[in-house]
Amino acid sequence: AQSVSQHNHHVILSEAASLELGCNYSYGGTVNLFWYVQYPGQHLQLLLKYFSGDPLVKGIKGFEAEFIKSKFSFNLRKPSVQWSDTAEYFCAVLSASKIIFGSGTRLSIRP
Amino acid sequence: DTEVTQTPKHLVMGMTNKKSLKCEQHMGHRAMYWYKQKAKKPPELMFVYSYEKLSINESVPSRFSPECPNSSLLNLHLHALQPEDSALYLCASSQVTVSGANVLTFGAGSRLTVL
Repeated sequence: AQSVSQHNHHVILSEAASLELGCNYSYGGTVNLFWYVQYPGQHLQLLLKYFSGDPLVKGIKGFEAEFIKSKFSFNLRKPSVQWSDTAEYFCAVLSASKIIFGSGTRLSIRP
Repeated sequence: DTEVTQTPKHLVMGMTNKKSLKCEQHMGHRAMYWYKQKAKKPPELMFVYSYEKLSINESVPSRFSPECPNSSLLNLHLHALQPEDSALYLCASSQVTVSGANVLTFGAGSRLTVL
């Protein structure tokens, strides 16, 4: 079954810094990938998704992700982070009709 | 505001109690899910209902009993839980597609504490 791995457990950045969070999926073929965000005390929200087509996916709040098949990666990026981006970020993959989440990356932004 | 509503937001129960968590959505989604999330961990899938029928049970202990009375409601009945069952229980819903490529809409969760 497909799985995803997130190697950055905690990332600390200053405001206006650029962000890249890593996500790798386990094997090739057709793959459906997601990034979800969980702000403190709030519900999980979809940031963006990749099902097919343009490998550069744009999501909400200025986030984007690039699907790179040769690297089995789906990294999340944002050119300039804000304090309000402080949250837990989860990469997820569809596997056998189930959405499976990675271990998550906690993003802390210094004002 | 989330379109998936979960009640109660907080629940404290003893190990001998029987309680239920409730989830409701009115988006016309025909797939509904229960996930369990421990602190600082990712959500873990427990159950999936598709067209009101249980389609996936991730080997969850029988002290958790799901129920989908209609296309808008999903319940999770709790009985004889253990302290390690304390967690945030998340409900989600999605459309059902042929490819299975679904986007989940999550509720805010029910935070359960078992004493």
